[in-house]
Amino acid sequence: SQQGEEDPQALSIQEGENATMNCSYKTSINNLQWYRQNSGRGLVHLILIRSNEREKHSGRLRVTLDTSKKSSSLLITASRAADTASYFCATVDSGAGSYQLTFGKGTKLSVIP
Amino acid sequence: NAGVTQTPKFRVLKTGQSMTLLCAQDMNHEYMYWYRQDPGMGLRLIHYSVGEGTTAKGEVPDGYNVSRLKKQNFLLGLESAAPSQTSVYFCASSNQGSYTFGSGTRLTVV
Repeated sequence: SQQGEEDPQALSIQEGENATMNCSYKTSINNLQWYRQNSGRGLVHLILIRSNEREKHSGRLRVTLDTSKKSSSLLITASRAADTASYFCATVDSGAGSYQLTFGKGTKLSVIP
Repeated sequence: NAGVTQTPKFRVLKTGQSMTLLCAQDMNHEYMYWYRQDPGMGLRLIHYSVGEGTTAKGEVPDGYNVSRLKKQNFLLGLESAAPSQTSVYFCASSNQGSYTFGSGTRLTVV
């Protein structure tokens, strides 16, 4: 079954605004990752945050992780039209020797120029 | 600089036909995976491999088989295609950290 639940399912914002997406998961994790998928394309890795980390930055991206609440958030600052895509969180369970990712259903972000 | 390459990119099959999807990676990754993505869904794991000669079942393995005879290749087979297998298939490889995904194979079973 799917691990993560992203919220909201869809988000529409104006260019220049910030976009925040949330992810909740169910099990104990080794790490949590965020991916972007442009329409009809493969997934692109954005950022990985380990279970002992609380916040991580990469360019305009900021990810937080709260393991006590089993939740994560992805913030995209100063959004651009090119950020329009679906965003997925995915988790690697603790002790998962296969390092397999379990995905949520994604948030569809539309950035209006 | 190829990363993960999937072939073919598109395919239409008739019910009952068989086919093999090929995934090749040039990053020397030990771990490889096959996922399927259906409309409005995230990716679901079909099968995976933690090294050459090993395979294991994921969340939705029924109707599929896999082989990892060489470290760089991971094959996904459909022995008798069914309309329920209409989906977009993604291959990925990993070095125990982030994944690298292929661009996908869009399969339609009629």
